[in-house]
Amino acid sequence: EAGVTQFPSHSVIEKGQTVTLRCDPISGHDNLYWYRRVMGKEIKFLLHFVKESKQDESGMPNNRFLAERTGGTYSTLKVQPAELEDSGVYFCASSQSGVVETQYFGPGTRLLVL
Amino acid sequence: KQEVTQIPAALSVPEGENLVLNCSFTDSAIYNLQWFRQDPGKGLTSLLLIQSSQREQTSGRLNASLDKSSGRSTLYIAASQPGDSATYLCAVRAPGGYQKVTFGTGTKLQVIP
Repeated sequence: EAGVTQFPSHSVIEKGQTVTLRCDPISGHDNLYWYRRVMGKEIKFLLHFVKESKQDESGMPNNRFLAERTGGTYSTLKVQPAELEDSGVYFCASSQSGVVETQYFGPGTRLLVL
Repeated sequence: KQEVTQIPAALSVPEGENLVLNCSFTDSAIYNLQWFRQDPGKGLTSLLLIQSSQREQTSGRLNASLDKSSGRSTLYIAASQPGDSATYLCAVRAPGGYQKVTFGTGTKLQVIP
């Protein structure tokens, strides 16, 4: 069974540009999460989808970040316009709904904004 | 606001030693606690998940305990091996419908052959 995949693995962009990150969850997982780790800090929650609906987006830092999950399958996270402080590693995770909901993480996208 | 702390930040031990990693959290109202390992340049691998009603979970050489009342969890690694070298993260999930997970800063473990 394929795990959570993320694309691209690395992205280097200039301040002011737009970047779109993609996450493909494990097949059949209704829950999809985005997290990020900025330099030297802990991993922080950004938002949670249940199928195509946003269940919790309390961690989104500002309106430059837009997450979508059309059709309840893959998700995209767009940063527009990117700022220097957006640099970090963006992780996606997915889980099944049930009693035990282990979150399975993707390898992350390393974003560097210059 | 939930805060998760892991001590120590880094640990270096000789191969074969048993070791304990610590995780503390400020709000005891949790749904579950999960331990992960992260290898350099890789994603997070789930090691153990403890539900709030459980006291411990075991998998191979790993044993995780949970004491909700004191806001603590420990990850015990028996007979450490160089392949155990990684960063270990604990994460607590809030109760209720929201599945927000709060991570600790991690403990970087190095097992020396």
